[in-house]
Amino acid sequence: AQSVAQPEDQVNVAEGNPLTVKCTYSVSGNPYLFWYVQYPNRGLQFLLKYITGDNLVKGSYGFEAEFNKSQTSFHLKKPSALVSDSALYFCAVRDGRRGSTLGRLYFGRGTQLTVWP
Amino acid sequence: EAGVAQSPRYKIIEKRQSVAFWCNPISGHATLYWYQQILGQGPKLLIQFQNNGVVDDSQLPKDRFSAERLKGVDSTLKIQPAKLEDSAVYLCASSLVGDRGYEQYFGPGTRLTVT
Repeated sequence: AQSVAQPEDQVNVAEGNPLTVKCTYSVSGNPYLFWYVQYPNRGLQFLLKYITGDNLVKGSYGFEAEFNKSQTSFHLKKPSALVSDSALYFCAVRDGRRGSTLGRLYFGRGTQLTVWP
Repeated sequence: EAGVAQSPRYKIIEKRQSVAFWCNPISGHATLYWYQQILGQGPKLLIQFQNNGVVDDSQLPKDRFSAERLKGVDSTLKIQPAKLEDSAVYLCASSLVGDRGYEQYFGPGTRLTVT
């Protein structure tokens, strides 16, 4: 069965410092991995994804994530955090095999990121 | 490019009443999804449409929830009768063909409170 774990409910970091939001996954086939961000009273916004290729993927707003197959991880990173990055971040995984129900995305519980000035 | 539209944004009903949510996906997106997001949890897929056909409704409580996408564009999700545990945000999302690595684009959601 597919699943995602975000081990930290909250991450606090000072503005200008690097940030990491952790994600580990379990999937039967090759993983398709996604990061989404959610601001209050808004839907989820797509940040970046890993499908295949380079393990380091770059996304919106200066975020990047590194796919590590041996550790089944896909941690979200940013070299220098901004106060405006404060939001709820979700990691999601789907099975990369073709097939109807395999397209379902499984989300983690989310990590609240707070960047203080 | 217009995003995914949803209405209403907020709804308060009493238990045992019925409610309906509407979604208009991004133009050209063949796949439409309805998710339930309970406070403190990640979104959980309720139903996935490819054009106007159902691809995955295995997690839809069919005794009370129903959804349709008659013309392959707009979609409605209905709950009848509602229970207290249905209080959640209902998110609609769309993507290009769902069977590949395309990202999903989400609407703002409808916050349902059942009293």
